[in-house]
Amino acid sequence: EAGVAQSPRYKIIEKRQSVAFWCNPISGHATLYWYQQILGQGPKLLIQFQNNGVVDDSQLPKDRFSAERLKGVDSTLKIQPAKLEDSAVYLCASERASTDTQYFGPGTRLTVL
Amino acid sequence: DQQVKQNSPSLSVQEGRISILNCDYTNSMFDYFLWYKKYPAEGPTFLISISSIKDKNEDGRFTVFLNKSAKHLSLHIVPSQPGDSAVYFCAAIPNSGYALNFGKGTSLLVTP
Repeated sequence: EAGVAQSPRYKIIEKRQSVAFWCNPISGHATLYWYQQILGQGPKLLIQFQNNGVVDDSQLPKDRFSAERLKGVDSTLKIQPAKLEDSAVYLCASERASTDTQYFGPGTRLTVL
Repeated sequence: DQQVKQNSPSLSVQEGRISILNCDYTNSMFDYFLWYKKYPAEGPTFLISISSIKDKNEDGRFTVFLNKSAKHLSLHIVPSQPGDSAVYFCAAIPNSGYALNFGKGTSLLVTP
């Protein structure tokens, strides 16, 4: 079974630029999460999707972050415009509904200069 | 506000000995707890979990203990192996949701 795929693996941008990350979850997994992991911290939830609907986006900075999962499969997370404090690893995870085991992708390391 | 706390940033253990990683939580609504292991440049991988209705769960060399009254859980690795060297994250899920609430992680180093 293929794991969660994410791209790109690394991205360096300047502040005020835009960036987008892509995630393809494990086949058949209805639930998809985006987490932000700042250096030295644990991952923090940004948004949770169930199929193509948003379940929880209470911690997503909506003035600059957006995410979509239009067909209920892959998802994109966008930051526009980026700030220095957005430098982090962005992790995507997927879960077969109600199993409570989330499977993580390798993450995208974003550096904002 | 950190609801899941791992107060030891790092731990060093000799190969063959027991590794004990600790985790405390503050939210009494958490009812499912997990440990994830993370190698550099990889995403976290699920290791072991425990429901709040249990006080122990064992899987091979890994055992998780839960003390609900103290809001404390621990992960025991016996015997420790050099391949266990990684960052270990404690995570908790509330009974009203599905999202993981992570601690800051403990970096375990197992020396030969």
